[in-house]
Amino acid sequence: ETGVTQSPTHLIKTRGQQVTLRCSSQSGHNTVSWYQQALGQGPQFIFQYYREEENGRGNFPPRFSGLQFPNYSSELNVNALELDDSALYLCASSLGGTGGVADTQYFGPGTRLTVL
Amino acid sequence: KQEVTQIPAALSVPEGENLVLNCSFTDSAIYNLQWFRQDPGKGLTSLLLIQSSQREQTSGRLNASLDKSSGRSTLYIAASQPGDSATYLCAVRPSYGGYQKVTFGTGTKLQVIP
Repeated sequence: ETGVTQSPTHLIKTRGQQVTLRCSSQSGHNTVSWYQQALGQGPQFIFQYYREEENGRGNFPPRFSGLQFPNYSSELNVNALELDDSALYLCASSLGGTGGVADTQYFGPGTRLTVL
Repeated sequence: KQEVTQIPAALSVPEGENLVLNCSFTDSAIYNLQWFRQDPGKGLTSLLLIQSSQREQTSGRLNASLDKSSGRSTLYIAASQPGDSATYLCAVRPSYGGYQKVTFGTGTKLQVIP
């Protein structure tokens, strides 16, 4: 059983550019959530995908968008990057909303994005 | 709006000591609460998940309790080891709104001194 993986590990972009981050879910998990974690803060929920459909969104602007693929891997896209987008981006997979241990989220190692 | 507070922000203890980390939340209408550890620059590792109907969960040297009425959860670590050094985060999922409303605390940074 493989865990959650994310790529790339680190990324440096300049203001105004666009970026795509990738996440592979843990085997058997159909739900993926994305979080933004600024330095010294707890993660902030961006959005969640369940079986390729967006299943909830946090307080992030539309320039943050995502996709989930049939194999349940996922992408986070951010357009028109701003300096404040610099953060650790985490994805988490789970079995999806049936309660109990299925709710447990398993996190990937994250992608460190720096916007200059 | 749910607010989650973790106090203290940092804690340093000698190896072998038992310790308690605290997590407080303002809205008791929760679905579950999950404790994580995060090593520097890394992702989160799930430690324990407590459903709203449960009072506590145990895994090895870890025990997490939940008191919804008072809006508190504690993570008890027995016989601490240097390998326990990390930041510990709690996350509260409300009984409404699903994961889009999950709120994390800012964490307690634990250092266990050999």
